[in-house]
Amino acid sequence: NTKITQSPRYLILGRANKSLECEQHLGHNAMYWYKQSAEKPPELMFLYNLKQLIRNETVPSRFIPECPDSSKLLLHISAVDPEDSAVYFCASSHGTASGNTLYFGEGSRLIVV
Amino acid sequence: GQQVQQSPASLVLQEGENAELQCNFSSTATQLQWFYQSPGGSLVSLLSNPSGTKHTGRLTSTTVTKERRSSLHISSSQTTDSGTYLCAIDPYQGGRALIFGTGTTVSVSP
Repeated sequence: NTKITQSPRYLILGRANKSLECEQHLGHNAMYWYKQSAEKPPELMFLYNLKQLIRNETVPSRFIPECPDSSKLLLHISAVDPEDSAVYFCASSHGTASGNTLYFGEGSRLIVV
Repeated sequence: GQQVQQSPASLVLQEGENAELQCNFSSTATQLQWFYQSPGGSLVSLLSNPSGTKHTGRLTSTTVTKERRSSLHISSSQTTDSGTYLCAIDPYQGGRALIFGTGTTVSVSP
């Protein structure tokens, strides 16, 4: 899937700060961050529609999302914790109404050492 | 909270066999989507089926909304079907916050 690109694909961190990036080339208005820990299903972290954060799930404050424009999504992480080791998926959809298909990026695998 | 249960947790098939995967959810869903995830890979949408029956290729999904359940039938399985199948619902009116089930891991041997 080259229509939603994520970077970096792999990341090994100690207690450092880092940002994950996502860009979608589908012309979608809604973008999401999902976290998938080992052996678990993806869990929604943040949802943006038309650059506005409309649902902010209960995630640690060290995760800060940013949506500079409707095609780009960032996830800033500060002072990572071992429990943050997971794959972080970016996703997008045309809108937020029911009936819109969700498309996922390849994911950014974060390993906290 | 919202609950999406899938069964079985895992399934082993011989190539050519059929499979039936189940998804049960605890609240009304305005949307239901089936995804495929390859080992260590990303998620790909297979079918969007909030009610009724839909087909695509060798896949058939049947959702009975009133009974809060959906099934995914895989016919004539192939080794490339191996992976995890996830059911996801959108329980929020006007919101696309998909809640995922725990998945069914399918292994197809030649």
